[in-house]
Amino acid sequence: DAGITQSPRHKVTETGTPVTLRCHQTENHRYMYWYRQDPGHGLRLIHYSYGVKDTDKGEVSDGYSVSRSKTEDFLLTLESATSSQTSVYFCAIRDLPAGQIANTIYFGEGSWLTVV
Amino acid sequence: AQSVTQLDSQVPVFEEAPVELRCNYSSSVSVYLFWYVQYPNQGLQLLLKYLSGSTLVKGINGFEAEFNKSQTSFHLRKPSVHISDTAEYFCAVSGTFGNEKLTFGTGTRLTIIP
Repeated sequence: DAGITQSPRHKVTETGTPVTLRCHQTENHRYMYWYRQDPGHGLRLIHYSYGVKDTDKGEVSDGYSVSRSKTEDFLLTLESATSSQTSVYFCAIRDLPAGQIANTIYFGEGSWLTVV
Repeated sequence: AQSVTQLDSQVPVFEEAPVELRCNYSSSVSVYLFWYVQYPNQGLQLLLKYLSGSTLVKGINGFEAEFNKSQTSFHLRKPSVHISDTAEYFCAVSGTFGNEKLTFGTGTRLTIIP
C-alpha cells in the first residue's frame, strides 16, 4: 500500500463542464503522476510533478491541467470535458524502496470518468 | 525514448497449465523492466521488476520473468495458473538515468479456463 487515495472514484459529467480529480498521498513522495488507461493503449502519461508547484507534461497532456500546491495533493483538471476524455485515470507515486537501486512506480485505485 | 510491445492482447489458458506472456521492448539506452497486474476494477499492482543482476526475476503469486538483452525481451511466465490469475498484465520499461518515466505496453488479458 503506497498510501494513495484518489477521489472521486467514479464520476459522470456532461460535455463542456470542468472536472477535477484529486490524488492524495500520505508518505511525502516527491514525484507524482497522472495516467489515463484506455483499451488498446495501455497507460499513457498525462502530467507529472517533481515537487510543489513543479509540474511537466506527459505524452497526452492536451485538454488537461494540473496543480500541486502541497506535497500530498496532486490535482488533475479537465477544463472543458469531452467524450474523448472518458477513461480511467490513475494517480501514481515514485518511491525508492529500502535496499533498491532504482525507483518503482506505485498506483492508486483509479478514477472512472464518463463524459456524456 | 523507449517503447514496449505486447503482441498478445488476449491469452486464454486452462487452469493448472503453464503460461507465457510476451513482452518486447525497444530502447537506445539501458533499461529497467517491470510487469504490473491489474485485477478487474482495481489499480495496478507491481508483479516483478528487473533492475540489474540475475536475468531471472521472481515475483509475487508464483510469476517469474527473464530479461534477454540480445532479444530485447522480458517475457512473463508461470508454470501452473489458477482462476485467481485472471487479470490484465502490463509490461513497462524505463531508462536508468534521472527522472525516467515509465512507458507501458498495451496489456495482455489473461483468461483462465476452468
